[in-house]
Amino acid sequence: AQKITQTQPGMFVQEKEAVTLDCTYDTSDPSYGLFWYKQPSSGEMIFLIYQGSYDQQNATEGRYSLNFQKARKSANLVISASQLGDSAMYFCAMRGTGNQFYFGTGTSLTVIP
Amino acid sequence: NAGVTQTPKFQVLKTGQSMTLQCAQDMNHEYMSWYRQDPGMGLRLIHYSVGAGITDQGEVPNGYNVSRSTTEDFPLRLLSAAPSQTSVYFCASSYWGPGYGYTFGSGTRLTVV
Repeated sequence: AQKITQTQPGMFVQEKEAVTLDCTYDTSDPSYGLFWYKQPSSGEMIFLIYQGSYDQQNATEGRYSLNFQKARKSANLVISASQLGDSAMYFCAMRGTGNQFYFGTGTSLTVIP
Repeated sequence: NAGVTQTPKFQVLKTGQSMTLQCAQDMNHEYMSWYRQDPGMGLRLIHYSVGAGITDQGEVPNGYNVSRSTTEDFPLRLLSAAPSQTSVYFCASSYWGPGYGYTFGSGTRLTVV
């Protein structure tokens, strides 16, 4: 069965510090994509970063990086140098060869000044 | 490039009324979906479509209908609104394949009284 698990309902981080948001997944598909989305309090869903299952290197996009550990089936999001604007809900998602998306329940991040 | 356009942004309905949430994308995406987001429940798939003329049910289809007469449009119809359908609704679209993520609409906040 395909499944995404985010075990941290809420996280706090000091401004300018780094934070890791956990995501584990379960799939039997040989090819899949892993995604992170940000949902600020305004409500829109913003794409942050993508990692393909065959990618050898961890994905990076500015202050966002994805710590991909295939054997552990984990795809943790690392945000470096946190900013107040990073306070939001973060969703991990996976898409396999069946093309359906699977979302985690999200992690609420609060950046403390 | 408009992306995914969802209308309306806000709607209040009385129990038993019907309405249609509109969704249009201009990126020639084959895959389109409707989700509802409730507090603590994450995103739940209502219906999806893999191309014009093809739709299928997701996790929570009851009380909703969809059609896909064109690649661009994917309206969601509430047949007889119930208070349990009070939620935030997102339309999303993507290309086919595990390497492609969703582009989301801005959401519709629906209240059924």
